[in-house]
Parts: sequence; structure tokens; C-alpha cells
Amino acid sequence: NAGVTQTPKFQVLKTGQSMTLQCAQDMNHEYMSWYRQDPGMGLRLIHYSVGAGITDQGEVPNGYNVSRSTTEDFPLRLLSAAPSQTSVYFCASSYSGTGIYGYTFGSGTRLTVV
Amino acid sequence: SQELEQSPQSLIVQEGKNLTINCTSSKTLYGLYWYKQKYGEGLIFLMMLQKGGEEKSHEKITAKLDEKKQQSSLHITASQPSHAGIYLCGADGTGGGADGLTFGKGTHLIIQP
Repeated sequence: NAGVTQTPKFQVLKTGQSMTLQCAQDMNHEYMSWYRQDPGMGLRLIHYSVGAGITDQGEVPNGYNVSRSTTEDFPLRLLSAAPSQTSVYFCASSYSGTGIYGYTFGSGTRLTVV
Repeated sequence: SQELEQSPQSLIVQEGKNLTINCTSSKTLYGLYWYKQKYGEGLIFLMMLQKGGEEKSHEKITAKLDEKKQQSSLHITASQPSHAGIYLCGADGTGGGADGLTFGKGTHLIIQP
């Protein structure tokens, strides 16, 4: 089991460029979510999904789009990157009653926007 | 929206000493998760608490959820260099795993030899 796989691990973008951060899980988890981690801010929820075709906004959704066409994949799109989006991005998956194992996190994507 | 406040923000402890990290919520906690993060790496799940008064242990780490379900504490006994890192508490609205986690800002733990 690979768990939650995020690609790429590192990325440098120019302001205004677009890109997609990939997230895939092979645990058949129903739920997936995206977070950004900034120094001194902890992790903040961007978007989450409770199943294929269903997404909702978290605490900091502006500038990001998501879709979920399959249970396994939950990509995060930056349509026009801004320096304020420089951060470390984490994807997580979970399932109903996720008590014993918690939310499973990927290893993160470190994004720099110049 | 729910807010989680962690204290202290940072902690320097001599190896072998005990320590406690607190997490206080602005709302009732239905699912409280503790994670550890080594610098520059991903999050490692430690344990999850749901019931008021619940206590769980993993190796030398014990976490408790108070009866009123608005505060949790993480206690490390006889700290070791491997305990160093960032400890994060997180909560989801229902405890059911569906709506993502709200996190505290983290506690940076340094273990001095």
C-alpha cells in the first residue's frame, strides 16, 4: 500500500502560471482534503471532498480549485499562481469513523511562487 | 468556526524529563487528533480521542480529553531525542472524518542532551 501519494515534491512557479498538484490514495477512503502549511500558521484546510463528485470549501479556498472525479484522486489546481501561495501543501484521506488510524497524510508538495 | 489554541508554542526540555502540551478548543471537541511532524516532513498520526475523560497511550506518549471535551493534553514521559519535532492537535467538526481538520499552530519541541 502506497497510502497517499503527492506529486510533485517540489515546484517553482512564476507569478500568473497555472499548475495542478496531484494527490492519489489507494486505501479506498471516502474522504479527501487539502491543506497548506505556512510558518507560524499550522495547517489550514483549503478544500475537502466527501466522495466522487462532491467537494466543499475549507478555511482558505480562494485561488484554488478542486474536483473529484474518482475515489482515488483529488487534484488541487492553482489557476493563476501568486507569491502568497508559496507554501507546503498536504493532501490527506480519511474514512467514516476514522478513529484508529486518523487522517492519512501525504508527504507534501513544497511550492514556491516567484 | 472552531479554533484550537496550543500551548506552549515552543518547548526546550532536557532529555529524560517529562513534558505536557495543551490544546484548547473554542467549541466542543467531537474528534481530537494528535500528530507529530519532523521538520520538513509529513505528519505522523499519534492518536485520536473522542469521549470525554478518554485517555490513550502509545509508547511514552499519553493523551487525554477532558470531561467537558474542550481541552486535550499530550504528555511525554522520560523524553528522548526521537521525541523532538512539531506536535499538532487537530479537530474535525463531527469526529466522523468527513469534513477535514482544523489544526492548532503547533508546539515545537526541542530535546537537549
